Amino acid sequence: DTEVTQTPKHLVMGMTNKKSLKCEQHMGHRAMYWYKQKAKKPPELMFVYSYEKLSINESVPSRFSPECPNSSLLNLHLHALQPEDSALYLCASSQGTGTVTDTQYFGPGTRLTVL
Amino acid sequence: AQKITQTQPGMFVQEKEAVTLDCTYDTSDQSYGLFWYKQPSSGEMIFLIYQGSYDEQNATEGRYSLNFQKARKSANLVISASQLGDSAMYFCAMRESRRGLTYDKVIFGPGTSLSVIP
Repeated sequence: DTEVTQTPKHLVMGMTNKKSLKCEQHMGHRAMYWYKQKAKKPPELMFVYSYEKLSINESVPSRFSPECPNSSLLNLHLHALQPEDSALYLCASSQGTGTVTDTQYFGPGTRLTVL
Repeated sequence: AQKITQTQPGMFVQEKEAVTLDCTYDTSDQSYGLFWYKQPSSGEMIFLIYQGSYDEQNATEGRYSLNFQKARKSANLVISASQLGDSAMYFCAMRESRRGLTYDKVIFGPGTSLSVIP
């Protein structure tokens, strides 16, 4: 089973709203990732959690706040977003083996629109 | 400089024909992993195939195979017997390892849009 689930599938929010994206995996993976993807572009890494600790923050604005409550769950809290933050947000997980074979498996994504 | 190059922004292939999607990469590391992902219009990134830098044989997975030429730093994806459902964006990606430390970050190429024509 290589399933990563994400909720919600679609989200429309105003610039003053606070919302959260949720990602869950039950594969026993110890690394989880958030990506942002604009149309016709490759995904851009935002954050990496390894064994529930933040290991990479790609200089993401503070209006995006990640949280890893446990090894199966990853949240992305959103606050005071801008229209240019509208994108597909992808979550991924991998075993976290620390080797080059460590394969990422992605969820279906959340399409976010900021008005 | 781009670490992963996919020179074909868009490709067309006739149904049931084979197609090759190009990927070249740049790394000075001896140990690295190469991945191909498929992204249909629905958005989900689907893992297709993996090739390790030390693997002696080209990877195969069903209708997908990887033409790995290490000296030329290329890892082209070959899809045999194309189907309409193969229409999607395809991304080549790489995970590097340096001095025994594997990076958490995976680098993606710009992608190739494949359209299968009936």
